[in-house]
Amino acid sequence: GENVEQHPSTLSVQEGDSAVIKCTYSDSASNYFPWYKQELGKRPQLIIDIRSNVGEKKDQRIAVTLNKTAKHFSLHITETQPEDSAVYFCAAPNAGNMLTFGGGTRLMVKP
Amino acid sequence: GAVVSQHPSWVICKSGTSVKIECRSLDFQATTMFWYRQFPKQSLMLMATSNEGSKATYEQGVEKDKFLINHASLTLSTLTVTSAHPEDSSFYICSAPSSGENIQYFGAGTRLSVL
Repeated sequence: GENVEQHPSTLSVQEGDSAVIKCTYSDSASNYFPWYKQELGKRPQLIIDIRSNVGEKKDQRIAVTLNKTAKHFSLHITETQPEDSAVYFCAAPNAGNMLTFGGGTRLMVKP
Repeated sequence: GAVVSQHPSWVICKSGTSVKIECRSLDFQATTMFWYRQFPKQSLMLMATSNEGSKATYEQGVEKDKFLINHASLTLSTLTVTSAHPEDSSFYICSAPSSGENIQYFGAGTRLSVL
């Protein structure tokens, strides 16, 4: 099955700086890579995703890059704001539409 | 996007009792739903795949007799934690993929506290 590793586990940045979170996956057949944001006690919310036919996708301050050869993908948040503070999870699909999640990154944006 | 409703949001129960959690897809049909457990400061761990009209598929280490899953219709899956104990206290979340999509839509989660 799929194995997903995520780094770093915690990330502290100053407001306005950029944050980068990286994930690697094991199954070269995987073709869909979502990123979820989870605030304390709440459900994970999909913030951006990328499919294997593109290398980069951007949505305002959030971007995701994908390197299929190296089997890794990254989340980039620019101009971070305190409300970006949360836990972020990457994921990759297993058989049958199930997702394997990375271990999560706790992002803290200091005002 | 699609909506997945999960109830209850918070349960406090005595040790030894059973707790049922419901997961509904409100505006789409879900032949498959997933149940996750999340301990504090940890990632989501898949417990089982709920299959409409057939038996659930459990991940290694998850006791099927303790975590009963029923997926009786295309919009409803239930997870029953039987004879709950304090170590079962956790955040349980369901999800469902919308038809034809990889995207998973999550329920709001159920915080279970077993005294």
